[in-house]
Amino acid sequence: GQQLNQSPQSMFIQEGEDVSMNCTSSSIFNTWLWYKQDPGEGPVLLIALYKAGELTSNGRLTAQFGITRKDSFLNISASIPSDVGIYFCAGHLYGGSQGNLIFGKGTKLSVKP
Amino acid sequence: DTGVSQDPRHKITKRGQNVTFRCDPISEHNRLYWYRQTLGQGPEFLTYFQNEAQLEKSRLLSDRFSAERPKGSFSTLEIQRTEQGDSAMYLCASSLGACGQETQYFGPGTRLLVL
Repeated sequence: GQQLNQSPQSMFIQEGEDVSMNCTSSSIFNTWLWYKQDPGEGPVLLIALYKAGELTSNGRLTAQFGITRKDSFLNISASIPSDVGIYFCAGHLYGGSQGNLIFGKGTKLSVKP
Repeated sequence: DTGVSQDPRHKITKRGQNVTFRCDPISEHNRLYWYRQTLGQGPEFLTYFQNEAQLEKSRLLSDRFSAERPKGSFSTLEIQRTEQGDSAMYLCASSLGACGQETQYFGPGTRLLVL
């Protein structure tokens, strides 16, 4: 079953706001990846992290690989309407399968009515 | 487009029928993965190949499921005697590497509906 706890489950954004989401686990991970998925499409890679403590940016997105190797966060600055979608954290478990990427349940980003 | 491609994008079938999906990975990628995603969940690993060899299968991959990658390029996933519980998005991903746990790039998926 899933071993990643992703929060929040959903959030509403207003254009220009900063957004933060995170992923935690009781297990150690070797890699952390963040993907975005639009309805009816496959996940698109946003940021990949390979070392504990690593902080990486991709445009308005910033993600960090937690020092304990059990967590990661993703921040989106100055959100825009096209940021709407479902964001998934994923990772390779330390000592786990080479192929099996474990996913969280996702954080759904919607626009505030 | 040099990304991962999947065909068909959508499939509707009746319970008991067999279905086959195809995945074409990014051209130089030696590893290919299959995942299943149901509504409200993240993708779940099914199986993966390194070149032609199927190296791992998940417990989710029942006897009715079979995957092949005969020439180490494209792959097919067949589901025999489909059941309503097989309705899901089937995702393919690929990566380049030999040490394991490389970054995986996903295709657009095949959405299966079993009536």
